[in-house]
Amino acid sequence: EAGVAQSPRYKIIEKRQSVAFWCNPISGHATLYWYQQILGQGPKLLIQFQNNGVVDDSQLPKDRFSAERLKGVDSTLKIQPAKLEDSAVYLCASSLTGTGVKLAKNIQYFGAGTRLSVL
Amino acid sequence: EDQVTQSPEALRLQEGESSSLNCSYTVSGLRGLFWYRQDPGKGPEFLFTLYSAGEEKEKERLKATLTKKESFLHITAPKPEDSATYLCAVQAGSGGYQKVTFGTGTKLQVIP
Repeated sequence: EAGVAQSPRYKIIEKRQSVAFWCNPISGHATLYWYQQILGQGPKLLIQFQNNGVVDDSQLPKDRFSAERLKGVDSTLKIQPAKLEDSAVYLCASSLTGTGVKLAKNIQYFGAGTRLSVL
Repeated sequence: EDQVTQSPEALRLQEGESSSLNCSYTVSGLRGLFWYRQDPGKGPEFLFTLYSAGEEKEKERLKATLTKKESFLHITAPKPEDSATYLCAVQAGSGGYQKVTFGTGTKLQVIP
C-alpha cells in the first residue's frame, strides 16, 4: 500500500516570496492534516480536512497561509508571503477518519515532509 | 487549552540500559493517546494507541502504559537502532470533533 506522498522534499525561498506544497494521502483516507514542525518541537496542527471540508483551521495564520483539498483527495498548502519564522518542516498526514469514536481509524500516517528554509 | 508535556527532552542511554519516557497531559475529555517514533528527515511513524487508564501495549523492546494523568514508554534493553525522537499525542474533546495535540518529543540516543 502506498504511503502519504509529499513534494517537494526541500524548498529554499527568500522572505516575501510565495511557496506551495503538495500532498497525496493514502487512498481511501477521509481525513487529511497539515502540520508545521519547527526544529526541536512537536508537530503543530495547521489545518484538518474531512473529505473536502475544513474541520479545524484555528491555528492557521490565515493572512498568509491557505490550503485546499480538491475533490477530497490531494491537497495543497500555500504560504504568501513567506516570513523568516515560517522556516520549518511541513508534514502532511492522513487517517481513515478524524472524528470517529473508534480511535484505530484515527491513526495518522505521515509523509516525509517538506523542509522549508526562508532566507 | 489542551497541554501535552514530554520528559526528558533528551535521553542518552548505553545499549542494554533500560529506561522510561514520560508523557503527561492536561486535557478535557481524553479519548485516547498515541505514541509515534520519528527518525531524522522522516515523518512520525505510529507505534501504539492507548484508550483507557490501566491499558498496556507492547512491541519488541517497547511497552506503553497509560494512567489518568500520564503515559510511559518503557524501553527494555535498547539497541542503537532505537535511537529516534519519540512523540506522544492525545486525542480529546466531546461531540463530533476530537482534537489531536502533540507533545514536543523526547530525543533518545542509544550508544553501542
